[in-house]
Amino acid sequence: EVQLVESGGGLIQPGGSLRLSCAASGFTVRSNSMTWVRQAPGMGLECFSVVYSDGNTYYADSVKGRFTISRDNSKNTLYLQMNDLRAEDTAVYYCATGSGSYRLDYWGQGTLVTVSS
Amino acid sequence: QSALTQPASVSGSPGQSITISCTGTSSDVGGYNYVSWYQQHPGKAPKLLIYEVSNRPSGVSNRFSGSKSGNTASLTISGLQAEDEADYYCYSYTSSSTLDLFGGGTKLTVL
Repeated sequence: EVQLVESGGGLIQPGGSLRLSCAASGFTVRSNSMTWVRQAPGMGLECFSVVYSDGNTYYADSVKGRFTISRDNSKNTLYLQMNDLRAEDTAVYYCATGSGSYRLDYWGQGTLVTVSS
Repeated sequence: QSALTQPASVSGSPGQSITISCTGTSSDVGGYNYVSWYQQHPGKAPKLLIYEVSNRPSGVSNRFSGSKSGNTASLTISGLQAEDEADYYCYSYTSSSTLDLFGGGTKLTVL
């Protein structure tokens, strides 16, 4: 059974850093594209970062240069390093993956990041 | 990159059918059969309902169906039930960006 479990969220001051983890089971992270999606309070879903099986990474302009997506194949875990956090980064963060391209079959439970002083 | 366009809200009575639209461009919805749909209940993670325009994953009710015409994809829910009340999002591959696009989301109210 495929399972994704996020951790690492919390309350952080503006300008601070946080690292989110997404522990995967039931499949191999290095063999799948892995996507980070976030949802600000009361708002819609935003796909803002992806790492493909070939290792290529992509970011939305809103996080480029501040966030880094990575994976640890030995731990079968996806990470999101978030630096220089801003109030507008406040959101529930989900990791997700799919059984095929351009679809997200499996989602974590989400972890809340609150950026506030 | 702008989000795909969905109506903010739709409503229907139990037993009725409703359709939610998702409008994009020829660079995304209209150009590729890579549209998927997600259901999200409050406080929960999204759930995949439809992939590749009209395919249902195993375990998803056949009351949910998808289609596409031109630059607009549609999700139809037939035989509305109270538990269908949720937010619904479309999602599409786009050749205009390195990241796929979500629609703005539609809140379904079952009257």
